Amino acid sequence: DAMVIQNPRYQVTQFGKPVTLSCSQTLNHNVMYWYQQKSSQAPKLLFHYYDKDFNNEADTPDNFQSRRPNTSFCFLDIRSPGLGDAAMYLCATSRLAGPLEKNEQFFGPGTRLTVL
Amino acid sequence: AQSVTQLDSQVPVFEEAPVELRCNYSSSVSVYLFWYVQYPNQGLQLLLKYLSGSTLVESINGFEAEFNKSQTSFHLRKPSVHISDTAEYFCAVSDRVIYGGATNKLIFGTGTLLAVQP
Repeated sequence: DAMVIQNPRYQVTQFGKPVTLSCSQTLNHNVMYWYQQKSSQAPKLLFHYYDKDFNNEADTPDNFQSRRPNTSFCFLDIRSPGLGDAAMYLCATSRLAGPLEKNEQFFGPGTRLTVL
Repeated sequence: AQSVTQLDSQVPVFEEAPVELRCNYSSSVSVYLFWYVQYPNQGLQLLLKYLSGSTLVESINGFEAEFNKSQTSFHLRKPSVHISDTAEYFCAVSDRVIYGGATNKLIFGTGTLLAVQP
């Protein structure tokens, strides 16, 4: 089945130790998104790629970076995780074509990041 | 700027009872509205969406939502809930942002936990 995969599902890191979260998709979608969802809060968009074009949200901290080496993969890098970065990180994809009806976002299961 | 308000953080309800989860939005442009459901430790799943046309939209598992432009609302309803409907429900709004391509950025509400009790 076509899907959005996130690895690992649970990630534990130490304060200040760089960490990378992975997202892959078999949907061949041209847009990939990264959201941060803290406990009992709404998902918040960090950035997205439209094809190879990177689009950062204005309030995304510099500590967060992203890479998209090809259509299928997208990575979230946290250069120096702080305690406040502990959250669920959700990857989503969408295929932007002419009709808006095709612009649904498909979400992966998320990676829960713990910072010690 | 767009925003979404879900006034109820938690809605307890007995099984087979009806339920309504409230969602209000603010936007100065035409909007597209979505309801997503999130089960524990899982990602978000699209439940239903309003893009255009009929203001009443339905999902395959008995939920429905009605777009009310005058009240800027998109409340989610189900006439009879099941234990398996227990989950977090997020309302979201999107517009078309053209910058060279196009993207449908989603702005989410804070979510409503639907807790169905036997």
